[in-house]
Amino acid sequence: GEDVEQSLFLSVREGDSSVINCTYTDSSSTYLYWYKQEPGAGLQLLTYIFSNMDMKQDQRLTVLLNKKDKHLSLRIADTQTGDSAIYFCAEIGGSARQLTFGSGTQLTVLP
Amino acid sequence: GAVVSQHPSWVICKSGTSVKIECRSLDFQATTMFWYRQFPKQSLMLMATSNEGSKATYEQGVEKDKFLINHASLTLSTLTVTSAHPEDSSFYICSVRGGAGNEQFFGPGTRLTVL
Repeated sequence: GEDVEQSLFLSVREGDSSVINCTYTDSSSTYLYWYKQEPGAGLQLLTYIFSNMDMKQDQRLTVLLNKKDKHLSLRIADTQTGDSAIYFCAEIGGSARQLTFGSGTQLTVLP
Repeated sequence: GAVVSQHPSWVICKSGTSVKIECRSLDFQATTMFWYRQFPKQSLMLMATSNEGSKATYEQGVEKDKFLINHASLTLSTLTVTSAHPEDSSFYICSVRGGAGNEQFFGPGTRLTVL
């Protein structure tokens, strides 16, 4: 089956930028998503990008997609303590009926 | 995006009892809802796809007689964990799909603890 991989942990200082990376194997990916999960909560959709786009910016969030390398990243500018959470990358392909999730990256923001 | 609620938020039950979890799409008519479970420090695992008015589609390895899914209306799907055992303790999350970007919106989850 298709695979989505992320690094497990990332620590940054408050005010710095965070970059969370994700790689995937599905060459027919149509949409790619970033979700945020805080402890004991469900998943919050942060943003998504269509596979024919290279970049999408939404306030402090910037998504970069390198379709050739099947690499997706999420940059959070001016990271705050409230950004501490687990971030999941997910993708869905042309004929797939469900999302494929990465393992999640635990982002810790240090004061 | 769509607003999804779940009830209850958490439940503790004795081994052998059955537990029903409700998932409601509050502002969106969902012909399809998804049920996931998540173990601590792990990603989400899709259990089944719930189709309004028809039988749910279960993922490989998920026992349909143990995890009963009913999707009787466009706004409500229920997951019943029958004869629950401690190994069924988990975080159960439902989701609906819709929107221009084929987005999936998730409920807040239900924490099930089986003693």
